[in-house]
Amino acid sequence: GDSVTQMEGPVTLSEEAFLTINCTYTATGYPSLFWYVQYPGEGLQLLLKATKADDKGSNKGFEATYRKETTSFHLEKGSVQVSDSAVYFCALTSNTGGFKTIFGAGTRLFVKA
Amino acid sequence: NAGVTQTPKFRVLKTGQSMTLLCAQDMNHEYMYWYRQDPGMGLRLIHYSVGEGTTAKGEVPDGYNVSRLKKQNFLLGLESAAPSQTSVYFCASSSPSGEGEKLFFGSGTQLSVL
Repeated sequence: GDSVTQMEGPVTLSEEAFLTINCTYTATGYPSLFWYVQYPGEGLQLLLKATKADDKGSNKGFEATYRKETTSFHLEKGSVQVSDSAVYFCALTSNTGGFKTIFGAGTRLFVKA
Repeated sequence: NAGVTQTPKFRVLKTGQSMTLLCAQDMNHEYMYWYRQDPGMGLRLIHYSVGEGTTAKGEVPDGYNVSRLKKQNFLLGLESAAPSQTSVYFCASSSPSGEGEKLFFGSGTQLSVL
């Protein structure tokens, strides 16, 4: 079945450092790919998405490119801030039988001032 | 702009007790979902619904039941709670039109089963 694998955390960075969180997927067909973010005590919220190969999703300085050849969707940000501290989830959605989204295990990011 | 609202936010149960979690959305979304979140395992789909009066099993449905009598509400029931059901439960909704596959989440229910 479909699955998502992302790098284990926690990831600890200093403010203004470069961030990469790796994500790879296994899926039949052509899924859409997502990054969701969860701030403490809150539900998940969509950060960015890409719906087809070579698409780049971007939001709030974060970006990720849908790489079909490597089945990857790595999250990057050039300069992190303390306010980026959160848990980041990579996810995919197949459009069979209702949009069922499959999540990775999540990667916790700590950013130090 | 309420979005997706879950009640209660916290609950402690004893083994064998039953309870119902309520999810309500005001966005007229067709699809609704219940997930559980456990450390190191991400979110796992319990049950979902693609419309009023219809439900389907997700990845981890055992020990849970659901109902969708009204389009805006999706109820998750635990018939006989077990310690393995200690988790954070999230409801989500989406629509096949508009923003498509984007999920809108509630703020979660933290459940402890002693």
